Amino acid sequence: EDQVTQSPEALRLQEGESSSLNCSYTVSGLRGLFWYRQDPGKGPEFLFTLYSAGEEKEKERLKATLTKKESFLHITAPKPEDSATYLCAVSPGNQFYFGTGTSLTVIP
Amino acid sequence: SQTIHQWPATLVQPVGSPLSLECTVEGTSNPNLYWYRQAAGRGLQLLFYSVGIGQISSEVPQNLSASRPQDRQFILSSKKLLLSDSGFYLCAWSSQGYGYTFGSGTRLTVV
Repeated sequence: EDQVTQSPEALRLQEGESSSLNCSYTVSGLRGLFWYRQDPGKGPEFLFTLYSAGEEKEKERLKATLTKKESFLHITAPKPEDSATYLCAVSPGNQFYFGTGTSLTVIP
Repeated sequence: SQTIHQWPATLVQPVGSPLSLECTVEGTSNPNLYWYRQAAGRGLQLLFYSVGIGQISSEVPQNLSASRPQDRQFILSSKKLLLSDSGFYLCAWSSQGYGYTFGSGTRLTVV
């Protein structure tokens, strides 16, 4: 059964305190792993797509990495505006399977 | 560029009333279209997806239905709303297995 598990459920960081979010997955024939950011009351916003183990993508303070079983979203020196829920999704085909997200709060 | 429109943004409906949420996509042809529901503090639950006009796949048996009358139009409906239908409804599109683009969502409260 295709599954996506994200950890931790919630994370509180001091501004400037780097950390990582985890996304573990089991899927038959991964065609892509996706990271999204969701602000309260809004639709998820696309961040990254990773297609194969070893691939890395960066955007500002965020870097996403992928192995055969998990992906990490590294946040370097976060700022309060990085506070949001971060969602991971995997796609074995036309459908996408989402994790329940990590709620990140960055304290000034 | 591709854009997705979803409306209304918020909706308060009494139990037993009908529902119609609309989603349209611009700037692309033959997109895959999706309806998701997100309950408070929970993940995204896929409700319906469509790979073409008139083609609807249902993931969760429930009080809701979906239709795709035009290539870039996706409608979520209910004949009689239940309290449990409350939630945040998201429309999304994708093309050729690339990541989703989500609409801005509809907050539905059934009272």
